[in-house]
Amino acid sequence: SAVISQKPSRDICQRGTSLTIQCQVDSQVTMMFWYRQQPGQSLTLIATANQGSEATYESGFVIDKFPISRPNLTFSTLTVSNMSPEDSSIYLCSVGRQLNYGYTFGSGTRLTVV
Amino acid sequence: KQEVTQIPAALSVPEGENLVLNCSFTDSAIYNLQWFRQDPGKGLTSLLLIQSSQREQTSGRLNASLDKSSGRSTLYIAASQPGDSATYLCAVMGHGSSNTGKLIFGQGTTLQVKP
Repeated sequence: SAVISQKPSRDICQRGTSLTIQCQVDSQVTMMFWYRQQPGQSLTLIATANQGSEATYESGFVIDKFPISRPNLTFSTLTVSNMSPEDSSIYLCSVGRQLNYGYTFGSGTRLTVV
Repeated sequence: KQEVTQIPAALSVPEGENLVLNCSFTDSAIYNLQWFRQDPGKGLTSLLLIQSSQREQTSGRLNASLDKSSGRSTLYIAASQPGDSATYLCAVMGHGSSNTGKLIFGQGTTLQVKP
């Protein structure tokens, strides 16, 4: 399975600022996703990162708040913009080559907004 | 809309016990089901993947079953150890125009195995 490097692993940020999270995969993958896990909650899909085009966002998530880039088949970034304490969560990158192979997750970025 | 439920929410057992974690889903049109393990503050580790056409998968002390028609999956852990303490998440992959490829997660079962 793919090996994912997600950075940073954690950060403490001031409200009103932005943080960009990177997801680097050791091989080309077809599918890349970004998830959010709020404290004590399960994972919620933010968006599908599409290579060379705009990401596809789930209901409740918008591009202005969570801009995503995917310039190639091994790299993606998620930016959390104009942060508030409610954005404090773990953000996870997930990748997959084919649907029947299952998905692999990065180690996550623990974000605290103060 | 697909909904995934996991029961129980938390479980505490003595070391050595065999245990069963339950996962149910409302829409049987799934591509596959995946069980994950999550340690506190960490990412997810994939444990078992069951395709929609399969009935079960085994890996070491873990066995997962799938009954797609009834919308249920179980994760069986044999001879539990303190190192098994973690949160176990069940996720189904949708099958259909807007759902294909998307994982829908349950709330998880937090397991504590006491020495």
